[in-house]
Amino acid sequence: GAGVSQSPSNKVTEKGKDVELRCDPISGHTALYWYRQSLGQGLEFLIYFQGNSAPDKSGLPSDRFSAERTGGSVSTLTIQRTQQEDSAVYLCASSPRTGVGYEQYFGPGTRLTVT
Amino acid sequence: GESVGLHLPTLSVQEGDNSIINCAYSNSASDYFIWYKQESGKGPQFIIDIRSNMDKRQGQRVTVLLNKTVKHLSLQIAATQPGDSAVYFCAENSGGSNYKLTFGKGTLLTVNP
Repeated sequence: GAGVSQSPSNKVTEKGKDVELRCDPISGHTALYWYRQSLGQGLEFLIYFQGNSAPDKSGLPSDRFSAERTGGSVSTLTIQRTQQEDSAVYLCASSPRTGVGYEQYFGPGTRLTVT
Repeated sequence: GESVGLHLPTLSVQEGDNSIINCAYSNSASDYFIWYKQESGKGPQFIIDIRSNMDKRQGQRVTVLLNKTVKHLSLQIAATQPGDSAVYFCAENSGGSNYKLTFGKGTLLTVNP
């Protein structure tokens, strides 16, 4: 079956511009997660959705970052007024349910480069 | 945070050898641990997991060992193959969270034919 998909796969933007990154989770998965991976680093948790609600936004680096999820499916991560330090790979994952033991399935990521 | 250095640790092995990748975790309240494999240009892929009530779990060609006393996790890969070349990450459920994972920095495994 189809896995988690993300678009675009690559995005180059100028400093100060806004960007939107999209995640299509596996159908039926209620939990959705966004992570950020900087060069040579592990994954950094950004935000978690259960259905359309985001109980934990604690990982969002600043108020320039926001995310939403609609219809319990597609999620969009928006970065306003991008900065060079925002350059990273943004990964989305989904899992069937929330809870220990439910595998998080990752998408291929969106590589964001801010020039 | 994870007690790994600023540079990505690397491990280079010969095809057919066994590989051992290590990870230290810092949160003693974490009770669920996972190993992920990430190939270039792809998202992380689940390999194997272990709960804190176990100290060893085996999969196909992989074994995870957990030492809670010293907060150490290891991944053993038997008969390493070129297709095993990737970055390997350990992850813990942050302080016992039922959704939030904290990842280590990763180890780059290179398998030489």
